Amino acid sequence: DAGVIQSPRHEVTEMGQEVTLRCKPISGHDYLFWYRQTMMRGLELLIYFNNNVPIDDSGMPEDRFSAKMPNASFSTLKIQPSEPRDSAVYFCASSFGLAVTDTQYFGPGTRLTVL
Amino acid sequence: DQQVKQNSPSLSVQEGRISILNCDYTNSMFDYFLWYKKYPAEGPTFLISISSIKDKNEDGRFTVFLNKSAKHLSLHIVPSQPGDSAVYFCAASARAQKLVFGQGTRLTINP
Repeated sequence: DAGVIQSPRHEVTEMGQEVTLRCKPISGHDYLFWYRQTMMRGLELLIYFNNNVPIDDSGMPEDRFSAKMPNASFSTLKIQPSEPRDSAVYFCASSFGLAVTDTQYFGPGTRLTVL
Repeated sequence: DQQVKQNSPSLSVQEGRISILNCDYTNSMFDYFLWYKKYPAEGPTFLISISSIKDKNEDGRFTVFLNKSAKHLSLHIVPSQPGDSAVYFCAASARAQKLVFGQGTRLTINP
């Protein structure tokens, strides 16, 4: 079975442009998470969904960031307008639940560079 | 405010020796702790975990120790192998809520 799929793997854009990152979770997983990895802060949780509904978006840095999950097999993270400080690796992860035994499975990440 | 801290950005260990990665946390409500391992160009993968009711959990070459009074946990890898070279993330959760990750420690195993 395929793992979590993310696209694109790399994105280079100019400041002010809109960026859309995409994620396909593992089939049957009810939870989907968006993380951002930076050197200073490590892995930060941006937002997570349960059954396509956003549950906690307290990690979303600003209104420039938005995330949607229109169905169980697809989610997007959008940055508009993008800024150089948004440069990071963005990971999507999914799991069956939030119980401690429900392992989160991560995608390979999207490396975003904003010039 | 960083609730989970990995104060060593990098660690270099000789092959065959013990690797010890450390993690500190500030939230006393955390009751479950995990370690994830990440190779370049890949996402993190789950490695080992421990509940707060235990002070040690072992899985092959990997052992995690938890010191609740010090709010400290460590991951021991014995013996270290070249394939262990990766970034290791410590994570914690409180009452089955979202995971809080640390900054990561890059482990390099030298032949």
